[in-house]
This record gives sequence, C-alpha cells and structure tokens, in this order.
Amino acid sequence: DTAVSQTPKYLVTQMGNDKSIKCEQNLGHDTMYWYKQDSKKFLKIMFSYNNKELIINETVPNRFSPKSPDKAHLNLHINSLELGDSAVYFCASSHGAVSSYNSPLHFGNGTRLTVT
Amino acid sequence: RKEVEQDPGPFNVPEGATVAFNCTYSNSASQSFFWYRQDCRKEPKLLMSVYSSGNEDGRFTAQLNRASQYISLLIRDSKLSDSATYLCVVNRVSNTGKLIFGQGTTLQVKP
Repeated sequence: DTAVSQTPKYLVTQMGNDKSIKCEQNLGHDTMYWYKQDSKKFLKIMFSYNNKELIINETVPNRFSPKSPDKAHLNLHINSLELGDSAVYFCASSHGAVSSYNSPLHFGNGTRLTVT
Repeated sequence: RKEVEQDPGPFNVPEGATVAFNCTYSNSASQSFFWYRQDCRKEPKLLMSVYSSGNEDGRFTAQLNRASQYISLLIRDSKLSDSATYLCVVNRVSNTGKLIFGQGTTLQVKP
C-alpha cells in the first residue's frame, strides 16, 4: 500500500563510511527527488530524476551519487560520510517533470542519518 | 535573503482560535504556490495549493498576493490535531519543477 517507501528509516554510522539509502515509489510517477532536511528544518532539493534521467542537480558534494535503475527507484549513495551529512533525507515523487498544481510532491517517510 | 521566508514561531494558540501565517518569496517569476504540513518526525504532506484568486478548504483559507509576493494561510477554529509545522512552498521559476521550501512555521494548539 505504501506509495513512496525508503529504507532504512534510521542509519547510524561513523565518519568515513560509505552508505546507501533506497527509495521506491508505486504511484507510477515519472519524477523522483532527493531532499535533505537539516537540523534547522530547511528542506533543500538535492537531485531530481525524470524517467531515469537527471534533471536537477543542486550544489551537492560529489560524494553524493544518485542512481535510478528505473523510474520507480531512486537510490542515494554517499561516500566518505562526514559529520555535516547528519540530517533527514527524504525521497519524493511527482507525476510530471514539473512540480505543479497538478502534480504535487509525495514524500517517503524519511531516513534519519546520524554520522558519529 | 532567503528565497522563501517564514516566521518559524512557534505560534501557541488555544483550541478554537483563528491563526494566520504569512510567507514571502523573492522570485517574482514564481508560478506555483503551496502549503505543506509536516508533523513532528514525519514527512511533509500537501495541505493545499494556493491559487491567484485565493481558495478555501474547510477551515483553511489560502491567499496569494503577487504584487507584494506573499502567501498566507488562515486556520479557523483551531483543533489540537492542527499542531504541526506548516511549510510554505514556491516553484522557483516556472516549468523547472524545483520547489523551494520555507523553514516552516510551527503551530501548537493548546486545550
């Protein structure tokens, strides 16, 4: 029944490690996103894929690498984790390439990453 | 200056009160406007879109003032269940799909 699901829900790891977060949506949407919500609650877009193609790539360290094997999946791999990477990472999807009145964002329930 | 600015609050109001939040945005070319709601430790969910003519959904009324570049959300007859953070969201420039989120305004409704 879950529309946008991401795993794991919690991730605690040490600096320097490499980790991945997975996301899947069963809404039939064309576009998927990764957002980061920091401790001050700002939600910032990191990446957006439309039909497996990267369309938005914000200024994100290249330690972050998204991968979209198909339009229903968008995974996020993070190399050499740093303390400042601690945040909640939300996956989202929308129907069209544009987040508009007809295609609002649907978010997953978030992955709380803690880097120690 | 942030692209989307909100007063983070918190706004503490008694049940039954009417409360209003404002949000300003800096890019005059923005085309789409939304209010999302985020409960504590949960994901954001769309509350309502904001149309140029203003729109209402039950106890919630949203308005857009393009000239002054601000958006408002009015909640009438507040319920305990309205306690949450309300995120103002703006499409940065039309047709890019890049939504910009405000920091959010936290509402606490007290019995």
